[in-house]
Amino acid sequence: GGIITQTPKFLIGQEGQKLTLKCQQNFNHDTMYWYRQDSGKGLRLIYYSITENDLQKGDLSEGYDASREKKSSFSLTVTSAQKNEMAVFLCASSISGSETLYFGSGTRLTVL
Amino acid sequence: AQSVTQPDARVTVSEGASLQLRCKYSSSGTPYLFWYVQYPRQGLQLLLKYYSGDPVVQGVNGFEAEFSKSNSSFHLRKASVHWSDSAVYFCVLRDTNAYKVIFGKGTHLHVLP
Repeated sequence: GGIITQTPKFLIGQEGQKLTLKCQQNFNHDTMYWYRQDSGKGLRLIYYSITENDLQKGDLSEGYDASREKKSSFSLTVTSAQKNEMAVFLCASSISGSETLYFGSGTRLTVL
Repeated sequence: AQSVTQPDARVTVSEGASLQLRCKYSSSGTPYLFWYVQYPRQGLQLLLKYYSGDPVVQGVNGFEAEFSKSNSSFHLRKASVHWSDSAVYFCVLRDTNAYKVIFGKGTHLHVLP
């Protein structure tokens, strides 16, 4: 089996700071995703990538950048952290399209 | 528009009781539906999925779900819950863009020991 590793598990930043979250997968999956999870709001898609060097905006992409330089890794940057962005960010991958999503355990972001 | 509604934000049941978590969907085409579970401080894991065929699909840990086209529903069931089933359960619908899925807001299940 494979695993998705998200680093760091906890990220504390200052308002206005640029922050980067990292995700690695060893499933050899083509598609990777970044979701934001806020309490009581389910998961909302920020960015996804169909293959290496591909980027697609999700429903919540404003204020974020993403990078997929290798098939196994997908990073997310919060361009200017805001206090209302305190949430858990989940990375996921799938073989392709709407097949089963495999999730990492998340990065919890706190903005001071 | 595609959408998923989980009407119950929180459900509390006693250990050994039966369980039903409700999910209603709206889809313009053939719905592909999933249930995922999130245990405390973990990512989500697939419980089961429905693409076509038998409307009752079996999942892991004794869970099953029944698809109903007439009711636009995909309810999750378990005959006898265990305290370890306490978690958040998400109903998920594939979007018209096959690379995207739509998550319900989740139902937080609390099983009393």
